[in-house]
Amino acid sequence: NAGVMQNPRHLVRRRGQEARLRCSPMKGHSHVYWYRQLPEEGLKFMVYLQKENIIDESGMPKERFSAEFPKEGPSILRIQQVVRGDSAAYFCASSPGLAGGNEQFFGPGTRLTVL
Amino acid sequence: AQSVSQHNHHVILSEAASLELGCNYSYGGTVNLFWYVQYPGQHLQLLLKYFSGDPLVKGIKGFEAEFIKSKFSFNLRKPSVQWSDTAEYFCAVNEGDYKLSFGAGTTVTVRA
Repeated sequence: NAGVMQNPRHLVRRRGQEARLRCSPMKGHSHVYWYRQLPEEGLKFMVYLQKENIIDESGMPKERFSAEFPKEGPSILRIQQVVRGDSAAYFCASSPGLAGGNEQFFGPGTRLTVL
Repeated sequence: AQSVSQHNHHVILSEAASLELGCNYSYGGTVNLFWYVQYPGQHLQLLLKYFSGDPLVKGIKGFEAEFIKSKFSFNLRKPSVQWSDTAEYFCAVNEGDYKLSFGAGTTVTVRA
């Protein structure tokens, strides 16, 4: 019973490069959530997606960040022209339905370091 | 937006000691409350959750938490910790929707 998969686990980028973070939800889950954890802070909600739809991106920075969850394949969080302040752990979670009361299952996270 | 405060950044205990981790949140309406744990090198895992009903919630691995609405608190407890409880613990809250708001986490180190 594979859990939520994220890759890569660690990603190093230089300023100005692009970062692509991947998330494969648990089998049977069609709802994906991305969270960011900055150093010394708690996880913060970024975006909620269902297959081919962005439902809520209220936590996403307005520029350089985008997310998708295509019909086939993993969800992708894309950060263009990375800056040092983007260094953080990015967590993906999935749920079988709308997770108001349902549990969100988390992946191991991707730790992004921007040099 | 929700604000979640965890009182301790790092707690160090000996085996068999009792553990209590504080968590307070800011929202005054209906909330769902969670404690997650992240063992070294592993995923975030759900320890326990509260939606409604009995404010004393039992979770996995001998953990429990008590929801005190008047104090906006959801403290986590374990009567007797083991070395394997060394981990980072996160309190989280949502307002009945999907957006979890997390505290900054408490690192618990249990000395054998």
